[in-house]
Amino acid sequence: QVQVVESGGGVVQPGKSLRLSCAASGFILSNYDMHWVRQAPGKGLEWVAVTRYDGSNKYSAGSVKGRFTISRDNSKNTLYLQMDSLRADDTALYYCAREGLNLILHAFDIWGQGTLVTVSS
Amino acid sequence: QSVLTQPPSVSGAPGQRVTISCTGSSSNIGAGYDVHWYQQLPGTAPQLLIYGNTNRPSGVPDRFSGSRSGTSASLAITGLQAEDETDYYCQSYDSSLSGWVFGGGTKLTVL
Repeated sequence: QVQVVESGGGVVQPGKSLRLSCAASGFILSNYDMHWVRQAPGKGLEWVAVTRYDGSNKYSAGSVKGRFTISRDNSKNTLYLQMDSLRADDTALYYCAREGLNLILHAFDIWGQGTLVTVSS
Repeated sequence: QSVLTQPPSVSGAPGQRVTISCTGSSSNIGAGYDVHWYQQLPGTAPQLLIYGNTNRPSGVPDRFSGSRSGTSASLAITGLQAEDETDYYCQSYDSSLSGWVFGGGTKLTVL
């Protein structure tokens, strides 16, 4: 079955780093652009970053630019998010999401259940 | 402040019709980028509800429909049911930001 499963969340002190992983199964990861989307407690959805299907291009939101790095290893069917210089306002549930193809372009058709990152001293 | 603007809440009685608006600008919806809608049940991940402005993924009831005009889009839900009471988000792409953008979300209450 088509799914993505996030891992790597936890409690981390401000200024520290954390790396999230997203394991994909049931589909060929190298065919799809992949994203990270986050949701702060009780708040709405915020797009974080995208990596193109082959890892050739990556883009991120202004709020994380220069601190977060998205990457992928298609041979391992895994997406990553390296988060450095973490701040309290990075506290959120981080979702891995697949961008659809064709008519579903620019939309997220598969979501994981999320991994919680808490930045606190 | 979200790039796409949604009403924080809407409500309707069972069986009624409600609409949720999503207002953008010339760099996103007005530029012709598609609008997509998600339903997020409590404690779960968002699920794609409408894609490409008007299309429903397999399994989504035809009570849900979407439209887009100018710099805005709307989600309509007819025949309201208790199970529809949850959060809804619109989403598009913004060329000025070179990124994907969401609305702030709308909480639907079934009276």
